[in-house]
Amino acid sequence: GAGVSQSPRYKVAKRGQDVALRCDPISGHVSLFWYQQALGQGPEFLTYFQNEAQLDKSGLPSDRFFAERPEGSVSTLKIQRTQQEDSAVYLCASSLVVGGTKTGELFFGEGSRLTVL
Amino acid sequence: QQQVKQSPQSLIVQKGGISIINCAYENTAFDYFPWYQQFPGKGPALLIAIRPDVSEKKEGRFTISFNKSAKQFSLHIMDSQPGDSATYFCAPRGGGKLIFGQGTELSVKP
Repeated sequence: GAGVSQSPRYKVAKRGQDVALRCDPISGHVSLFWYQQALGQGPEFLTYFQNEAQLDKSGLPSDRFFAERPEGSVSTLKIQRTQQEDSAVYLCASSLVVGGTKTGELFFGEGSRLTVL
Repeated sequence: QQQVKQSPQSLIVQKGGISIINCAYENTAFDYFPWYQQFPGKGPALLIAIRPDVSEKKEGRFTISFNKSAKQFSLHIMDSQPGDSATYFCAPRGGGKLIFGQGTELSVKP
């Protein structure tokens, strides 16, 4: 597809369940980012990959959160033993370049809305 | 996110008016200063961005003004239209990642 694709778009989980959120970046994009956006707030950084290497995971709120990008393309964000405070929209973004020169533009998907009951 | 403070939180402007949103930051290592626009149910999308060696950039109705010494940058939307009604985020980049402000909800009345 032409843009960043995320699935599922909506997920309802019972407290304590594990969830997995998928991100298909734009083909050829080197960098992939995960952000968490609570209702009415700005996106908060979770983690960042350059190809398959996870270069920064400083934003992951706890060890219940885990992200991977094993082949440098599709990425999965996994949340174990979900809690109510995990309810948010999880946004994935990809970028053609790393930091750098011409542009650091991130292309965002529409997000996966997680509701934990 | 405390590194980046946006104001105002919300803004109502008449059609044809000027919308101004401000962003103040603390981290002097930020190297790229974009504004993102987000519509309900969608992901943010880049609107306009500026590098720190430039004081102003204009693209159509949108202008960024950048004041490095004051650690502030602002977004000006000229001739605001109802279709501009959205949430706007400043998101300066540091350490390779964007740090988003809290957002400004803009409503343009016809």
